[in-house]
Amino acid sequence: QVTLKESGPVLVKPTETLTLTCTVSGFSLTNARMGVSWIRQPPGKALEWLAHIFSNDEKSYSTSLRSRLTISKDTSKSQVVLTMTNMDPVDTATYYCARLNLQTWFDPWGQGTLVTVSS
Amino acid sequence: QSALTQPASVSGSPGQSITISCTGASNDVGRYDLVSWYQQHPGKAPTLMIYEVFKRPSGVSNRFSGSKSGNTASLTIFGLLPEDETDYYCSSYAGSNTWVFGGGTKLTVL
Repeated sequence: QVTLKESGPVLVKPTETLTLTCTVSGFSLTNARMGVSWIRQPPGKALEWLAHIFSNDEKSYSTSLRSRLTISKDTSKSQVVLTMTNMDPVDTATYYCARLNLQTWFDPWGQGTLVTVSS
Repeated sequence: QSALTQPASVSGSPGQSITISCTGASNDVGRYDLVSWYQQHPGKAPTLMIYEVFKRPSGVSNRFSGSKSGNTASLTIFGLLPEDETDYYCSSYAGSNTWVFGGGTKLTVL
């Protein structure tokens, strides 16, 4: 059974750096047909793709957030890590990680983790 | 990476059919047959309903159907059921290893 689970702080202060971890099971982060993306959803709003990491460690980022994002993976721990710098209250959202299959569809998704940015 | 355009809401009666549109551009929806659709119930993570425009994952009802014409993809739900009432999102590959989502559509089953 393939699962992904996000973990990280529930509350961060403005200007701080957010670090989120996605722990996967049931598949390998070295599988060439798969990768892991981070996607977020502000309360009551739409989904927004943030970043992706491929099995060969190639990375891609949302154009609008590229300067603030870093994605990495630790294959031995089956973990994908996302860092986002200079957090702002508008970054308050549920952050999801999801497996990307054959570069086309996101499935499955983690349960999501709500991150609130507030002083 | 501009968000894909979906209607904010659609509605239909039980047993009827509805269609949700997803309009992009020539560099995403129009260029790639890599559109997927997700269903999201309140407080839950999205789940895959359609991939590669029209393909259904195992376990998804055949009442759900996808299609594409030009820069617009569509999700049609046949024989509406009360449990179909929730939010739906489209997504497309946008080139250069980037992806884009739609603004979401709230489906109401009257």
